Amino acid sequence: DTEVTQTPKHLVMGMTNKKSLKCEQHMGHRAMYWYKQKAKKPPELMFVYSYEKLSINESVPSRFSPECPNSSLLNLHLHALQPEDSALYLCASSQVRLGQGTYEQYFGPGTRLTVT
Amino acid sequence: GIQVEQSPPDLILQEGANSTLRCNFSDSVNNLQWFHQNPWGQLINLFYIPSGTKQNGRLSATTVATERYSLLYISSSQTTDSGVYFCAVVKGGYGGSQGNLIFGKGTKLSVKP
Repeated sequence: DTEVTQTPKHLVMGMTNKKSLKCEQHMGHRAMYWYKQKAKKPPELMFVYSYEKLSINESVPSRFSPECPNSSLLNLHLHALQPEDSALYLCASSQVRLGQGTYEQYFGPGTRLTVT
Repeated sequence: GIQVEQSPPDLILQEGANSTLRCNFSDSVNNLQWFHQNPWGQLINLFYIPSGTKQNGRLSATTVATERYSLLYISSSQTTDSGVYFCAVVKGGYGGSQGNLIFGKGTKLSVKP
């Protein structure tokens, strides 16, 4: 099974709302990722968790707050977003390789976020 | 940082035609993946191919790591092959960023019936 699930599929929120995106995988992967994809652009990395610890934050604004409560779950908490944050948010997971090399990443279907 | 360039940016084919998509990268890589993004946004894994050649049905891919390029071949194209094809890499070397996939801008493929 190479499935990564994400909920919700679509989300519309106002600039004063607080919402959360959820990602789940049951492949035993210990690295999980959040990517952001604007329309007609490639995905861009936001955060990486390795063994439930934040290992990479690509200078993402603090209105995006990631959380990895256990090895299967990854959340992205959203607060005071701006209309320009509207995008497709993709979650991915992979095994962790120590030292050189990385393993294949598997992506979820994404959450399409609209900020009004 | 590492640069990933894909060509062509757009490609229109008649059903049944063959095509080759190219991905050039500017530094050594630990990981190279090809994805197909369907109209609903799902990124579908096609190949994990940091080096060598792989085949899966009508698709095949070759990565020549020493020359810093990868090719994706699509044979006997079908309308369901339409979408955007992305090449993505992780920079190589010990201690390279864990899983930091850098995507090219993609090739948008349209297959006409």
